[in-house]
Amino acid sequence: GAGVSQSPRYKVAKRGQDVALRCDPISGHVSLFWYQQALGQGPEFLTYFQNEAQLDKSGLPSDRFFAERPEGSVSTLKIQRTQQEDSAVYLCASSLMALAAVPGAQYFGPGTRLLVL
Amino acid sequence: KNEVEQSPQNLTAQEGEFITINCSYSVGISALHWLQQHPGGGIVSLFMLSSGKKKHGRLIATINIQEKHSSLHITASHPRDSAVYICAVSTSGTYKYIFGTGTRLKVLA
Repeated sequence: GAGVSQSPRYKVAKRGQDVALRCDPISGHVSLFWYQQALGQGPEFLTYFQNEAQLDKSGLPSDRFFAERPEGSVSTLKIQRTQQEDSAVYLCASSLMALAAVPGAQYFGPGTRLLVL
Repeated sequence: KNEVEQSPQNLTAQEGEFITINCSYSVGISALHWLQQHPGGGIVSLFMLSSGKKKHGRLIATINIQEKHSSLHITASHPRDSAVYICAVSTSGTYKYIFGTGTRLKVLA
């Protein structure tokens, strides 16, 4: 398919375990975003990549959260030593646009639902 | 106070009813987006607006920049319209979306 894909779709982790969430953006999309969506809430921004450069990581809630996009396509969001408050849906979105001043439509993946026990 | 607020939070309608969901924002924006999220599914972009009005099928979105307000209308609602509708804004000079908390719509047959 031509859309944004994410894996795994569901992840159950024990508290303290490390997890890695993958995002495959639409081919050719320059911008990639990660969002965290708690139950019953709207998504909240975590981090932004323009190609392989992580231009904004201001939304990452702690230093346990780390994201990378080494070749400017696939991205991985890693959470170390997971805590129960990390339970949420993690959404990835990509956009063709690279310029911050030009709002481009973001295309969202289905999300990864993380449950930390 | 959230920068993007939606109302109502929950809405139940009978099939065929005209539905309005409202969004107010308090920041300067470059665009406003209406998104649809089905349970267990991803988010689909419905509209991106910077002024005026857009229509797609039974969906109509309007924005009033001066009043910092947007509405999403659904005409002749159908049970398949049941979803969470989220308003998001792209703030001036940035790429980030700021999201409202969503309106959970249920359309009964």
